[in-house]
Amino acid sequence: EMQLLQSGAEVKKPGESLKISCKASGYSFTRYWIGWVRQMPGKGLQWMGFIYPGDSDTKYGPSFQGQVTISADKSINTVYLHWGSLLASDTAMYYCVRGSGWYSNYFDSWGQGTLVTVS
Amino acid sequence: QSALTQPASVSGSPGQSIPISCTGTSSDVGTYNYVSWYQQHPGNAPKLIIHDVSNRPSGVSNRFSGSKSGNTASLTISGLQAEDEADYYCSSYTASNTVIFGGGTKLTVL
Repeated sequence: EMQLLQSGAEVKKPGESLKISCKASGYSFTRYWIGWVRQMPGKGLQWMGFIYPGDSDTKYGPSFQGQVTISADKSINTVYLHWGSLLASDTAMYYCVRGSGWYSNYFDSWGQGTLVTVS
Repeated sequence: QSALTQPASVSGSPGQSIPISCTGTSSDVGTYNYVSWYQQHPGNAPKLIIHDVSNRPSGVSNRFSGSKSGNTASLTISGLQAEDEADYYCSSYTASNTVIFGGGTKLTVL
């Protein structure tokens, strides 16, 4: 059974760096795009970006380009989301998602979410 | 890149059929048959219920159906049940090679 298991909740201060993780299992890790979706408190979903672990090719949503970095370690089937300097506005739930479909346009598996609080 | 437009809320009684619309542009919904729908219950991660406009993943009830006309996609929930009360989000692939979500619709079962 495929699964995306995310790292635990984080509480950070503005200006600090952070890397959260998503470990995939139950499928061929290098053959699917995998990425991140943000949900700010009480708000909707926002697609942040993707990585293809097979060759580390990445795509970012326009609001997130340059704000975060998505990386992958295919030796341990894990994808990361990294902030170099957190803002209070980064407070949100972050979901790891697997992309499927012709353009990896739909997300058929979701992690349990990682709550990031910046205060 | 603006979010797809969904009604903020809809409501219906048990047994009714309820449509939820999702309006985009010719750069996303209108051009690509890559519209998806997700259901999110409070405190839970979203769940895929429709992909590529009208395809249901295995295990999803056939009370959920999807369609598209022009720049607007729709999710219809038939035979409304109490367990359907949740937030619903549409998404679409875009001409910029990205994915965009709708703002979400809160469904209340009366």
